[in-house]
Amino acid sequence: KQEVTQIPAALSVPEGENLVLNCSFTDSAIYNLQWFRQDPGKGLTSLLLIQSSQREQTSGRLNASLDKSSGRSTLYIAASQPGDSATYLCAVHTGNQFYFGTGTSLTVIP
Amino acid sequence: NAGVTQTPKFQVLKTGQSMTLQCAQDMNHEYMSWYRQDPGMGLRLIHYSVGAGITDQGEVPNGYNVSRSTTEDFPLRLLSAAPSQTSVYFCASRPQGHGYTFGSGTRLTVV
Repeated sequence: KQEVTQIPAALSVPEGENLVLNCSFTDSAIYNLQWFRQDPGKGLTSLLLIQSSQREQTSGRLNASLDKSSGRSTLYIAASQPGDSATYLCAVHTGNQFYFGTGTSLTVIP
Repeated sequence: NAGVTQTPKFQVLKTGQSMTLQCAQDMNHEYMSWYRQDPGMGLRLIHYSVGAGITDQGEVPNGYNVSRSTTEDFPLRLLSAAPSQTSVYFCASRPQGHGYTFGSGTRLTVV
């Protein structure tokens, strides 16, 4: 079974800082990997999807990378803002299922 | 497009009651899934469907039933509610080869 780990569980940074969130997975036979944002009491909002053949994807201040062979993905957030405060989840598509990490709770301090 | 619509948003059930959580999508996605989210455990797959008439079990299927008679709808039935089924339930859909779009969730409390 695919195991997905996100470290750290919580992160607090001052506004304006660049930061990296980590996602690791145990089975490298993946189709794709998806990063989500979840605000308290809300659903999941898709941020980026990286196909297994890709190395990275960018959207605005967000950049996600994928290293399948080492079982790792990172989400880079540039120039963080208080509005970026949320929980960030990664999900790995293996077989017929997406396997989710437990998330990193990010707080950006004004 | 409305995306993925879940109803109700909140529900309180008594132990032993049954109910159906509704999920509908208007994006013509083949794949639909139900997840439950519990503190410290992340999202766990309950049931999923790869197309109308086809369903399969996920990681935690016990106590839940699903059916998929149309592409648009994928209801989740709780047969006899238990306190252990207190959770937030998310429905999601995706086209083949692409990522998920999630609904806004149903917060269920079983007393």
